[in-house]
Amino acid sequence: EVQLVESGGGLVQPGGSLRLSCAASGFTFSDSSMNWVRQAPGKGLEWVANIKQDGTEKYYVDSVKGRFTISRDNAKNSLFLQMNSLRADDTAVYYCSRDRFTPQNWGQGTLVTVSS
Amino acid sequence: DIVMTQSPLSLPVTPGEPASISCTSSQSLLHSSGYHYLHWYLQKPGRSPQLLIYLGSHRASGVPDRFSGSGSGTDFTLKISRVEAEDVGVYYCMQALQTPLTFGGGTKVEMK
Repeated sequence: EVQLVESGGGLVQPGGSLRLSCAASGFTFSDSSMNWVRQAPGKGLEWVANIKQDGTEKYYVDSVKGRFTISRDNAKNSLFLQMNSLRADDTAVYYCSRDRFTPQNWGQGTLVTVSS
Repeated sequence: DIVMTQSPLSLPVTPGEPASISCTSSQSLLHSSGYHYLHWYLQKPGRSPQLLIYLGSHRASGVPDRFSGSGSGTDFTLKISRVEAEDVGVYYCMQALQTPLTFGGGTKVEMK
């Protein structure tokens, strides 16, 4: 069974940093590109970033470019999102999902709250 | 960026009756492979999104056959042949043809 478990969310002040993790199991992690998708409270879904299977290519939504960095550790079946210079409008539940072309499996999400 | 537009915003439904949701993209979602990179998700209350339909018309594993997807180019439709109580939630279409991947604004389906 495919499992994606996010962690690392919490309350952070504006301008602060946070690192999210996603632990993957039940599939060959190194064969799958991975995404981060977020959902602000009461709002719709917004794709944030994608990383290719070997980590050589990364893509971001414009609003996070230069502030967020997606990475992965295939040896540990783990996906990460380093978030710097956080703003109030980054407040959201962050989901990791599997596959760039058909995001088919999603974790339960981790809540990031940016507030003073 | 490809803009995805869904309608209606809200859809009150009666159990046993059909329902339909429309999704329009600002450019064609046809890939050189011949597939349309358009997917449908359902987010039940308090849950993560779940994939219902992929590549426009293919039901994901475990999805009941009352759900169907159709369309081509820029216009797509999700149909529920007979709505059941467990179908309530917010439905999203999403394009995966190019980055940034983009979602429609969502259609909230609720029982009358």
